[in-house]
Amino acid sequence: DGGITQSPKYLFRKEGQNVTLSCEQNLNHDAMYWYRQDPGQGLRLIYYSQIVNDFQKGDIAEGYSVSREKKESFPLTVTSAQKNPTAFYLCASSIRLALDEQFFGPGTRLTVL
Amino acid sequence: AQSVTQLDSQVPVFEEAPVELRCNYSSSVSVYLFWYVQYPNQGLQLLLKYLSGSTLVKGINGFEAEFNKSQTSFHLRKPSVHISDTAEYFCAVITEWGSEKLVFGKGTKLTVNP
Repeated sequence: DGGITQSPKYLFRKEGQNVTLSCEQNLNHDAMYWYRQDPGQGLRLIYYSQIVNDFQKGDIAEGYSVSREKKESFPLTVTSAQKNPTAFYLCASSIRLALDEQFFGPGTRLTVL
Repeated sequence: AQSVTQLDSQVPVFEEAPVELRCNYSSSVSVYLFWYVQYPNQGLQLLLKYLSGSTLVKGINGFEAEFNKSQTSFHLRKPSVHISDTAEYFCAVITEWGSEKLVFGKGTKLTVNP
């Protein structure tokens, strides 16, 4: 079955530690996205990538980093510089441009202790 | 900058009642509009989208939405809701071709009671 997988589903980290969230898709999509979701805030774009080896900052990129070495994979690193990292993180992909439907993964809930 | 306003953060309704979830956007240029649904602890799923053509758009699960350019609105409707429609609904907009970025509203939590 085609789709997007995110792992782990729940993640706990201590303050001051970096952590990497995994996102893999087998839909052969060119574009991939990372969003952060907080209660009552909707989704906010962290980073997006249109093609391999290229990515752009979204609206709230500070304290985050990404890589796009393979078409299928778009991992997100939450660094210690991110002041308030506890949130629900969603990865998405689309065929090409954003006018195409975005397909979402099930999300990773990150809690900083 | 484009923005999306979902006027109601929570909408409680009884099963089999009609529902309307409101969405307004701010833009002076052409827009492309989307409604997504999120069931608890899951990702989002596209309900419907308006790119061009007929202003009445039909989506999955019996939902429809109407694009109203003069009122800058894209309200979501369903004539008769089910318990299984309980979820959070997000309106989203892109205002220019190739901008690559969806802007989401803050969401409306629909609760369908028996």
